[in-house]
Amino acid sequence: SQKIEQNSEALNIQEGKTATLTCNYTNYSPAYLQWYRQDPGRGPVFLLLIRENEKEKRKERLKVTFDTTLKQSLFHITASQPADSATYLCALDTGSGGYQKVTFGIGTKLQVIP
Amino acid sequence: GAGVSQSPRYKVAKRGQDVALRCDPISGHVSLFWYQQALGQGPEFLTYFQNEAQLDKSGLPSDRFFAERPEGSVSTLKIQRTQQEDSAVYLCASSQEGAGSQAFFGQGTRLTVV
Repeated sequence: SQKIEQNSEALNIQEGKTATLTCNYTNYSPAYLQWYRQDPGRGPVFLLLIRENEKEKRKERLKVTFDTTLKQSLFHITASQPADSATYLCALDTGSGGYQKVTFGIGTKLQVIP
Repeated sequence: GAGVSQSPRYKVAKRGQDVALRCDPISGHVSLFWYQQALGQGPEFLTYFQNEAQLDKSGLPSDRFFAERPEGSVSTLKIQRTQQEDSAVYLCASSQEGAGSQAFFGQGTRLTVV
Protein backbone atom coordinates (compact mmCIF):
# COMPACT_ATOMS: atom_id res chain seq x y z
CA SER A 1 0.00 0.00 0.00
CA GLN A 2 1.05 3.60 -0.46
CA LYS A 3 2.45 5.23 2.65
CA ILE A 4 4.02 8.44 3.87
CA GLU A 5 5.83 7.88 7.13
CA GLN A 6 6.95 10.45 9.63
CA ASN A 7 8.13 9.83 13.14
CA SER A 8 4.94 10.15 15.12
CA GLU A 9 6.87 10.58 18.35
CA ALA A 10 7.63 14.11 19.43
CA LEU A 11 11.14 15.42 18.89
CA ASN A 12 12.58 17.44 21.76
CA ILE A 13 15.66 19.52 21.06
CA GLN A 14 17.69 22.13 22.86
CA GLU A 15 17.53 25.70 21.62
CA GLY A 16 20.35 26.49 19.20
CA LYS A 17 20.75 22.91 17.99
CA THR A 18 19.79 21.58 14.58
CA ALA A 19 16.50 19.70 14.40
CA THR A 20 16.24 16.97 11.76
CA LEU A 21 12.89 15.48 10.79
CA THR A 22 12.45 12.50 8.48
CA CYS A 23 9.84 11.69 5.87
CA ASN A 24 9.86 8.28 4.17
CA TYR A 25 7.45 7.16 1.50
CA THR A 26 6.70 3.95 -0.33
CA ASN A 27 5.08 3.12 -3.64
CA TYR A 28 5.05 6.71 -4.85
CA SER A 29 7.16 8.44 -7.46
CA PRO A 30 6.39 12.05 -6.65
CA ALA A 31 7.48 14.87 -8.89
CA TYR A 32 7.96 17.00 -5.80
CA LEU A 33 7.63 16.98 -2.04
CA GLN A 34 6.45 19.73 0.28
CA TRP A 35 6.90 20.56 3.94
CA TYR A 36 4.29 22.39 6.00
CA ARG A 37 4.20 23.74 9.54
CA GLN A 38 1.07 23.43 11.66
CA ASP A 39 0.46 25.17 14.97
CA PRO A 40 -2.33 24.05 17.35
CA GLY A 41 -5.73 25.24 16.19
CA ARG A 42 -4.40 26.49 12.87
CA GLY A 43 -4.24 25.19 9.33
CA PRO A 44 -0.95 24.02 7.84
CA VAL A 45 1.37 26.69 6.45
CA PHE A 46 3.56 25.95 3.44
CA LEU A 47 7.31 26.12 4.06
CA LEU A 48 9.25 24.57 1.19
CA LEU A 49 8.85 22.58 -1.98
CA ILE A 50 11.61 20.43 -3.47
CA ARG A 51 11.39 18.82 -6.91
CA GLU A 52 12.57 15.35 -7.85
CA ASN A 53 15.54 16.73 -9.77
CA GLU A 54 16.72 18.79 -6.80
CA LYS A 55 18.88 17.26 -4.10
CA GLU A 56 18.68 20.11 -1.64
CA LYS A 57 16.76 23.32 -1.05
CA ARG A 58 17.38 26.06 1.50
CA LYS A 59 15.32 28.90 2.89
CA GLU A 60 16.79 30.93 5.72
CA ARG A 61 17.36 28.44 8.60
CA LEU A 62 15.51 25.65 6.80
CA LYS A 63 17.06 22.99 4.60
CA VAL A 64 15.31 20.14 2.83
CA THR A 65 16.89 17.19 1.06
CA PHE A 66 15.17 14.78 -1.28
CA ASP A 67 16.56 11.35 -2.13
CA THR A 68 14.33 9.65 -4.68
CA THR A 69 16.40 6.46 -4.51
CA LEU A 70 15.94 6.10 -0.77
CA LYS A 71 12.43 7.58 -1.05
CA GLN A 72 13.25 9.90 1.77
CA SER A 73 13.27 13.60 2.60
CA LEU A 74 15.06 15.20 5.51
CA PHE A 75 13.96 18.54 6.94
CA HIS A 76 16.50 20.50 8.97
CA ILE A 77 16.04 23.58 11.13
CA THR A 78 19.37 25.07 12.11
CA ALA A 79 19.88 27.27 15.19
CA SER A 80 16.47 26.17 16.43
CA GLN A 81 14.37 28.54 18.51
CA PRO A 82 11.41 27.96 20.86
CA ALA A 83 9.24 29.67 18.22
CA ASP A 84 10.03 26.76 15.89
CA SER A 85 7.99 24.46 18.15
CA ALA A 86 5.14 23.11 16.03
CA THR A 87 4.09 20.05 14.08
CA TYR A 88 5.83 19.62 10.73
CA LEU A 89 4.03 17.81 7.94
CA CYS A 90 5.53 16.17 4.89
CA ALA A 91 3.31 16.12 1.80
CA LEU A 92 3.47 14.51 -1.63
CA ASP A 93 1.52 14.92 -4.81
CA THR A 94 -0.07 11.51 -5.23
CA GLY A 95 -2.45 12.48 -8.01
CA SER A 96 -2.57 10.87 -11.42
CA GLY A 97 -5.40 12.81 -12.95
CA GLY A 98 -3.47 15.80 -14.25
CA TYR A 99 -3.96 17.85 -11.08
CA GLN A 100 -2.10 17.93 -7.83
CA LYS A 101 -3.54 15.78 -5.05
CA VAL A 102 -1.55 16.51 -1.94
CA THR A 103 -1.32 13.66 0.53
CA PHE A 104 0.07 14.35 3.99
CA GLY A 105 2.02 12.35 6.50
CA ILE A 106 0.97 12.22 10.14
CA GLY A 107 3.41 14.97 11.10
CA THR A 108 6.19 15.18 13.67
CA LYS A 109 5.79 17.41 16.69
CA LEU A 110 8.91 19.43 17.42
CA GLN A 111 9.51 20.96 20.81
CA VAL A 112 12.47 23.36 21.15
CA ILE A 113 13.49 23.69 24.77
CA PRO A 114 14.96 27.04 25.90
CA GLY B 1 -9.61 38.87 2.20
CA ALA B 2 -5.95 38.00 2.02
CA GLY B 3 -6.28 34.36 3.00
CA VAL B 4 -8.61 31.38 2.99
CA SER B 5 -11.55 31.91 5.29
CA GLN B 6 -13.63 29.15 6.84
CA SER B 7 -16.82 29.38 8.84
CA PRO B 8 -17.91 28.54 11.37
CA ARG B 9 -14.71 28.04 13.37
CA TYR B 10 -16.48 25.69 15.73
CA LYS B 11 -19.63 23.66 15.28
CA VAL B 12 -21.34 21.37 17.76
CA ALA B 13 -23.97 19.15 16.19
CA LYS B 14 -26.28 16.59 17.68
CA ARG B 15 -25.99 13.15 16.15
CA GLY B 16 -28.27 12.95 13.15
CA GLN B 17 -28.18 16.67 12.44
CA ASP B 18 -27.09 18.04 9.06
CA VAL B 19 -24.23 20.56 8.95
CA ALA B 20 -22.80 22.88 6.31
CA LEU B 21 -19.24 24.16 6.41
CA ARG B 22 -18.20 27.11 4.29
CA CYS B 23 -14.90 27.93 2.60
CA ASP B 24 -13.96 31.24 0.96
CA PRO B 25 -10.76 30.61 -1.02
CA ILE B 26 -8.23 33.18 -2.10
CA SER B 27 -9.65 35.16 -5.00
CA GLY B 28 -8.56 33.80 -8.35
CA HIS B 29 -7.40 30.43 -7.07
CA VAL B 30 -8.52 27.72 -9.43
CA SER B 31 -7.96 24.73 -7.16
CA LEU B 32 -9.84 24.06 -3.94
CA PHE B 33 -9.38 21.12 -1.59
CA TRP B 34 -11.17 19.83 1.47
CA TYR B 35 -9.33 17.79 4.10
CA GLN B 36 -10.41 16.07 7.31
CA GLN B 37 -8.00 16.07 10.23
CA ALA B 38 -8.59 13.86 13.24
CA LEU B 39 -6.79 14.60 16.50
CA GLY B 40 -3.11 13.69 16.28
CA GLN B 41 -3.32 12.80 12.59
CA GLY B 42 -2.30 14.48 9.38
CA PRO B 43 -4.91 16.01 7.08
CA GLU B 44 -6.75 13.39 5.00
CA PHE B 45 -7.83 14.31 1.48
CA LEU B 46 -11.59 14.47 0.94
CA THR B 47 -12.26 16.16 -2.38
CA TYR B 48 -10.86 18.49 -5.04
CA PHE B 49 -12.40 21.18 -7.26
CA GLN B 50 -10.96 22.82 -10.30
CA ASN B 51 -13.10 25.92 -10.66
CA GLU B 52 -16.66 24.60 -10.33
CA ALA B 53 -15.84 21.07 -11.44
CA GLN B 54 -15.42 18.44 -8.76
CA LEU B 55 -12.65 16.34 -10.27
CA ASP B 56 -11.97 14.05 -7.36
CA LYS B 57 -14.22 12.99 -4.51
CA SER B 58 -12.47 9.76 -3.73
CA GLY B 59 -11.74 10.73 -0.14
CA LEU B 60 -15.31 11.42 0.93
CA PRO B 61 -15.99 8.82 3.67
CA SER B 62 -19.59 8.09 2.74
CA ASP B 63 -22.54 9.31 0.73
CA ARG B 64 -23.47 11.47 3.72
CA PHE B 65 -20.70 13.83 2.65
CA PHE B 66 -21.33 16.22 -0.20
CA ALA B 67 -19.31 19.18 -1.47
CA GLU B 68 -20.07 21.86 -4.00
CA ARG B 69 -18.50 24.93 -5.55
CA PRO B 70 -21.22 26.14 -7.92
CA GLU B 71 -19.59 29.35 -9.15
CA GLY B 72 -16.00 28.33 -8.88
CA SER B 73 -15.26 30.38 -5.78
CA VAL B 74 -16.99 29.70 -2.43
CA SER B 75 -17.33 26.03 -1.52
CA THR B 76 -19.58 24.26 0.94
CA LEU B 77 -19.00 20.88 2.54
CA LYS B 78 -22.23 19.34 3.74
CA ILE B 79 -22.52 16.39 6.08
CA GLN B 80 -25.90 14.78 6.45
CA ARG B 81 -27.07 12.80 9.47
CA THR B 82 -23.84 13.45 11.36
CA GLN B 83 -22.30 10.67 13.42
CA GLN B 84 -19.76 10.79 16.21
CA GLU B 85 -16.99 9.55 13.95
CA ASP B 86 -17.45 12.69 11.86
CA SER B 87 -15.97 14.74 14.70
CA ALA B 88 -12.77 16.28 13.34
CA VAL B 89 -11.29 19.50 12.00
CA TYR B 90 -12.30 20.16 8.41
CA LEU B 91 -9.68 22.13 6.50
CA CYS B 92 -10.10 23.93 3.22
CA ALA B 93 -7.18 24.89 1.00
CA SER B 94 -6.85 26.73 -2.28
CA SER B 95 -4.04 27.08 -4.77
CA GLN B 96 -3.28 28.46 -8.17
CA GLU B 97 -3.44 25.95 -10.96
CA GLY B 98 -0.37 23.92 -11.70
CA ALA B 99 1.73 21.15 -10.30
CA GLY B 100 3.66 22.16 -7.25
CA SER B 101 1.50 25.17 -6.52
CA GLN B 102 1.59 26.16 -2.88
CA ALA B 103 -1.62 25.33 -1.02
CA PHE B 104 -3.00 27.98 1.33
CA PHE B 105 -5.07 26.62 4.17
CA GLY B 106 -7.84 28.13 6.21
CA GLN B 107 -7.93 27.79 9.99
CA GLY B 108 -10.42 24.96 9.74
CA THR B 109 -13.80 24.19 11.24
CA ARG B 110 -13.77 22.01 14.34
CA LEU B 111 -16.85 19.81 14.24
CA THR B 112 -17.95 18.01 17.38
CA VAL B 113 -20.85 15.59 17.11
CA VAL B 114 -22.51 14.81 20.44
